[in-house]
Amino acid sequence: EPEVTQTPSHQVTQMGQEVILRCVPISNHLYFYWYRQILGQKVEFLVSFYNNEISEKSEIFDDQFSVERPDGSNFTLKIRSTKLEDSAMYFCASSLLAGTNEQFFGPGTRLTVL
Amino acid sequence: AQSVTQLGSHVSVSEGALVLLRCNYSSSVPPYLFWYVQYPNQGLQLLLKYTSAATLVKGINGFEAEFKKSETSFHLTKPSAHMSDAAEYFCAVSGSGGGADGLTFGKGTHLIIQP
Repeated sequence: EPEVTQTPSHQVTQMGQEVILRCVPISNHLYFYWYRQILGQKVEFLVSFYNNEISEKSEIFDDQFSVERPDGSNFTLKIRSTKLEDSAMYFCASSLLAGTNEQFFGPGTRLTVL
Repeated sequence: AQSVTQLGSHVSVSEGALVLLRCNYSSSVPPYLFWYVQYPNQGLQLLLKYTSAATLVKGINGFEAEFKKSETSFHLTKPSAHMSDAAEYFCAVSGSGGGADGLTFGKGTHLIIQP
């Protein structure tokens, strides 16, 4: 069964450093998403991406964040200058169609900022 | 704007008992509604979804949910709990207006199954 994969599973970085989180969505899906879950809190939408551009973004997704689909399979989230409060689990998701918006989630990358 | 409220951060039931996890939503457009389950150290798995067809939706692992527009609710039930149901459950809503809407999640309910 096709699935969304994410690498790495755990990333530790120093405050102020740049990190890139990687995702491989399900191959025939057209819509891609990033979410985050701070420990003990709810899952929060960051951004959606379609046709090589951002479709929607939340107020959390500020100038320190960027997304890219560098090739036909990967979807990345870059955090330019990490802060302590960026420590969270980051989930990638993809969906085939926007209509029913059934999103398939990856296992997540746990980001720890020291 | 959309929001989801899940009553009860923790719900404990005995094995074999009825499971009821509550979800109320707020949406300015006809909603799509979802229940996801998260097992420890894993991602989110879709249990079931409501997309304006039948109001009673059946999902995986014996779960079902009923959309009640008048009550703005989408409660999740399972007739008989199993130990393997112990997990975190999230209710989520998105607009049906098209586009790549992000899901708005509730805070989650931790389901505990007592032997």
